[in-house]
Amino acid sequence: QVLLVQSGSELKKPGASVKVSCKASGYIFAGYTINWVRQAPGQGLEWMGWINTDTGIPTYARAFTGRFVFSLDTSVSTSYLQIDSLRAEDTAVYYCARVRTGWYSDYWGQGTLVTVSS
Amino acid sequence: QSVLTQPPSASGTPGQRVAISCSGSSSNIGTNAVNWYQQLPGAAPKLLISTNKQRPSGVPDRFSGSESGTSASLAISGLQSEDEAVYYCAAWDDRLDAYVFGTGTKVTVL
Repeated sequence: QVLLVQSGSELKKPGASVKVSCKASGYIFAGYTINWVRQAPGQGLEWMGWINTDTGIPTYARAFTGRFVFSLDTSVSTSYLQIDSLRAEDTAVYYCARVRTGWYSDYWGQGTLVTVSS
Repeated sequence: QSVLTQPPSASGTPGQRVAISCSGSSSNIGTNAVNWYQQLPGAAPKLLISTNKQRPSGVPDRFSGSESGTSASLAISGLQSEDEAVYYCAAWDDRLDAYVFGTGTKVTVL
């Protein structure tokens, strides 16, 4: 079956970096784009952008340019989200999700809580 | 602020019908398909409706989606206690060149 399994929770200090992984299984990894979505505590869903798993080309939403980097390791069917220069306001749950034609996400990772605190 | 507006809350008793609206514009709902997601407490979002009204396998037919002009609606008929969740609409926005989520509606079963 299709699964997206994300790495575990992270506690980081302001200014540090974090790298969240999203390992896909049960389907051909290069066949489906991966979305990244942020959910701040008690808030709604916010689309961060996507990465083309065939070409490796990322596309970032306007609010997520600069400190956010999407990457891939196709040899292990894994997508990554790296956030540099962490700030307290980056504290959130980050989700990866598989994208289908029509821009809907049919499978989601379980989410990774990133907490930024001194 | 999201460009897709939903009521913050909705409620009903078991067995009732609840409808959730999602108001957008010509650059999103007016042009592109609407998707709906259900987020149970403490869980990841789950796809409920794709492409305006398609139910993925395993989603009960109590859930239905519709779209008209620049608005969309999710209806839950025969409301059950396990339907307590936050529901989000979403669509691609051509003007923003982004996938946008609605503000979310918390459904409470009384």
